Amino acid sequence: GENVEQHPSTLSVQEGDSAVIKCTYSDSASNYFPWYKQELGKRPQLIIDIRSNVGEKKDQRIAVTLNKTAKHFSLHITETQPEDSAVYFCAAQTHSGYSTLTFGKGTMLLVSP
Amino acid sequence: EAQVTQNPRYLITVTGKKLTVTCSQNMNHEYMSWYRQDPGLGLRQIYYSMNVEVTDKGDVPEGYKVSRKEKRNFPLILESPSPNQTSLYFCASSLLTGSNTEAFFGQGTRLTVV
Repeated sequence: GENVEQHPSTLSVQEGDSAVIKCTYSDSASNYFPWYKQELGKRPQLIIDIRSNVGEKKDQRIAVTLNKTAKHFSLHITETQPEDSAVYFCAAQTHSGYSTLTFGKGTMLLVSP
Repeated sequence: EAQVTQNPRYLITVTGKKLTVTCSQNMNHEYMSWYRQDPGLGLRQIYYSMNVEVTDKGDVPEGYKVSRKEKRNFPLILESPSPNQTSLYFCASSLLTGSNTEAFFGQGTRLTVV
């Protein structure tokens, strides 16, 4: 089955800096890569996603890049703010007759004022 | 409002006492799944269902059962809970196909087995 590795496990940055979280996946059939943000005590919520026919997608301060050849994708957050502090999960999904998400272990992002 | 609802939010129980965590969605999603979240281990899938009466094991199914008798409901059953099932549980649902297969999560159920 699919295996998703996520790094780093924790990331501390100063407000205004950029943050990058990287994930690799194992199944070349995966074609959908969402990112979820989980604030303390809350449920994971989708913040951005990318499909395999696109190399990069941007939404205001967040962007995701995908390298299918290398089987890795990354989340980029620019101009970080304290409210960006949360756990971020990457995931990979394969549409091969059924749909199931495999998550990375998560990255705790701490943004200091 | 589109949502996934889990109950209860918090539960403390004793070893061996059967319990059920309910999950219901109002978005007519075919796909539903259960995850457990443990520190350092991320979200691990327990069971999933692609439609009514269709269920399958995820990565950590031991000690759990599920059923999908109706499209909107996907309860998680622990027949004989043990302390290693103490965890935070999330139910999620999504469309199975199409351009938007975003997974929507319930509020979570924090289970403690003593």
